[in-house]
Amino acid sequence: GAVVSQHPSRVICKSGTSVKIECRSLDFQATTMFWYRQFPKQSLMLMATSNEGSKATYEQGVEKDKFLINHASLTLSTLTVTSAHPEDSSFYICSAIATANVLTFGAGSRLTVL
Amino acid sequence: GENVEQHPSTLSVQEGDSAVIKCTYSDSASNYFPWYKQELGKRPQLIIDIRSNVGEKKDQRIAVTLNKTAKHFSLHITETQPEDSAVYFCAASKGDGNKLVFGAGTILRVKS
Repeated sequence: GAVVSQHPSRVICKSGTSVKIECRSLDFQATTMFWYRQFPKQSLMLMATSNEGSKATYEQGVEKDKFLINHASLTLSTLTVTSAHPEDSSFYICSAIATANVLTFGAGSRLTVL
Repeated sequence: GENVEQHPSTLSVQEGDSAVIKCTYSDSASNYFPWYKQELGKRPQLIIDIRSNVGEKKDQRIAVTLNKTAKHFSLHITETQPEDSAVYFCAASKGDGNKLVFGAGTILRVKS
């Protein structure tokens, strides 16, 4: 089946640094990928829709300068959390549509900002 | 935009009993309704989905029903087992690559 690979699975960084998270579709091409954020015991909140070759579409309330998304190829999207602060600590999950509407998730990246 | 509400937030059942989780959606244009199971610290996994052209779909112990008129859909798990314990999310989308809007989730605990 379709596989979405996400790295790193865990990252700890100091406040003020930037962190990049990669999301790859391993056996299919994904023109669209989605980035979600999940706080403990809460639902998945869509942050942005990543479109290959064009700018990402951000959800209301998500700072695009804070969460930089690049979708440079049909198999790779990256999320960069810039100037990270403790409140950015969260579980970030990417996903891609392999076949019509079937969303496949990456394993997630747990970010801890000290 | 679309709003998906999910109930209950927590559900405890005895092993072997059935579990039902219900969701409502607001946008009548939504036509795709998946259910995801998420174990602690892991990725959500699709367990079943339904499209608006059918009213019910079943896969072994799992079934989903859809009422388009009332704009609600439900997940039914029969003969529950301890390994069914997880968080379950419903979602809705308008299809064709449109974004999924998730419900708040239901923590299901199956007691043995």
